[in-house]
Amino acid sequence: DTAVSQTPKYLVTQMGNDKSIKCEQNLGHDTMYWYKQDSKKFLKIMFSYNNKELIINETVPNRFSPKSPDKAHLNLHINSLELGDSAVYFCASSPRNGLGAQHFGDGTRLSIL
Amino acid sequence: GQQVMQIPQYQHVQEGEDFTTYCNSSTTLSNIQWYKQRPGGHPVFLIQLVKSGEVKKQKRLTFQFGEAKKNSSLHITATQTTDVGTYFCAELFQGAQKLVFGQGTRLTINP
Repeated sequence: DTAVSQTPKYLVTQMGNDKSIKCEQNLGHDTMYWYKQDSKKFLKIMFSYNNKELIINETVPNRFSPKSPDKAHLNLHINSLELGDSAVYFCASSPRNGLGAQHFGDGTRLSIL
Repeated sequence: GQQVMQIPQYQHVQEGEDFTTYCNSSTTLSNIQWYKQRPGGHPVFLIQLVKSGEVKKQKRLTFQFGEAKKNSSLHITATQTTDVGTYFCAELFQGAQKLVFGQGTRLTINP
């Protein structure tokens, strides 16, 4: 059973489009995250939610809007995609807010044409 | 800003050689975590260090936390091709409730 699953795995789209990535965890964790990994492998946190409440918003453009309908799900919607949004987006979860090992999904590879 | 510095950025070794990556901070670390990311894969948690001077081992991997809690290292003895990947240290900022990752060390191995 996959602990943290995100869909889609690959996303290729045109500049200016709107797209969504979904994430679900079955670990019973309270906290979920979105990370962006650029082409140089630098891994940077974007958002975190604890029990559906937004905890961290790391100066991400407001074209990115996370939503957590319940503590097992955290989705990411991106409006007006730009070339610089091309990256791998990872969802992760951890047992308590910021503490403990983080469990990552397989990533969504977003390519903007 | 909040950042841990990780060196080297790249390391290429012959299979069987040892490998070490270092993580340094100008401030005291509350705790540090290490992750491994295989090529095309996702980061996988390896270990968490909390205590000053702590040393933990996992088979051929040895993790150390400095006495002053300002640095950490991961040492791999007798590397194998399965060790290929990028190794990240990550600092936990408890006040901000987030992990900040180092830049990673990419390990490649010549079989």
